[in-house]
Amino acid sequence: DAGITQSPRHKVTETGTPVTLRCHQTENHRYMYWYRQDPGHGLRLIHYSYGVKDTDKGEVSDGYSVSRSKTEDFLLTLESATSSQTSVYFCATPAGGRPGELFFGEGSRLTVL
Amino acid sequence: AQKITQTQPGMFVQEKEAVTLDCTYDTSDPSYGLFWYKQPSSGEMIFLIYQGSYDQQNATEGRYSLNFQKARKSANLVISASQLGDSAMYFCAIRIQGGSEKLVFGKGMKLTVNP
Repeated sequence: DAGITQSPRHKVTETGTPVTLRCHQTENHRYMYWYRQDPGHGLRLIHYSYGVKDTDKGEVSDGYSVSRSKTEDFLLTLESATSSQTSVYFCATPAGGRPGELFFGEGSRLTVL
Repeated sequence: AQKITQTQPGMFVQEKEAVTLDCTYDTSDPSYGLFWYKQPSSGEMIFLIYQGSYDQQNATEGRYSLNFQKARKSANLVISASQLGDSAMYFCAIRIQGGSEKLVFGKGMKLTVNP
């Protein structure tokens, strides 16, 4: 199985502050993904990366930026957090099984007050 | 654009009974993959089953089977002999064709298994 570590696992912050979530993988996958999960919306793709320094937007990318300077790390940054960004954030990598199958990290719960 | 629809917000089933979770999808791509994931209350996302659009037979994984009706664009998950541990959120997802291997998820539905 792929190994994914997300940090922090829980964070409470205030509106307007910057926040960075980190996803670390140990399987040398080329692709990495950031999703957010909200009640009534399922999981929605924020950004994804297909290699070092190669990233692209997902369906809900406004207010988020990402960086990938090393294969193993994919950072998600909220430059100025808003209450609408209160969510659970999941990082994912290919699971190495069926085409498209993803393996998910444990999630990072972010609360913006 | 690809889309997944899960219209059942919640379902209740008695332990040991079978249950069907509905999923319909929309895509114009002839090659696609359909997935079901389970999310228990602990929060992790667990892969359950996969169906490729060209697969001739319905997928099965233990107590899970996928009722794939291509013409109707439906990919319902069937859980046989429900167990209390099956109580969870269930998400249907479709793989977007192309190198990015992105998944588009439905809104999910909550299954509660009663003793």
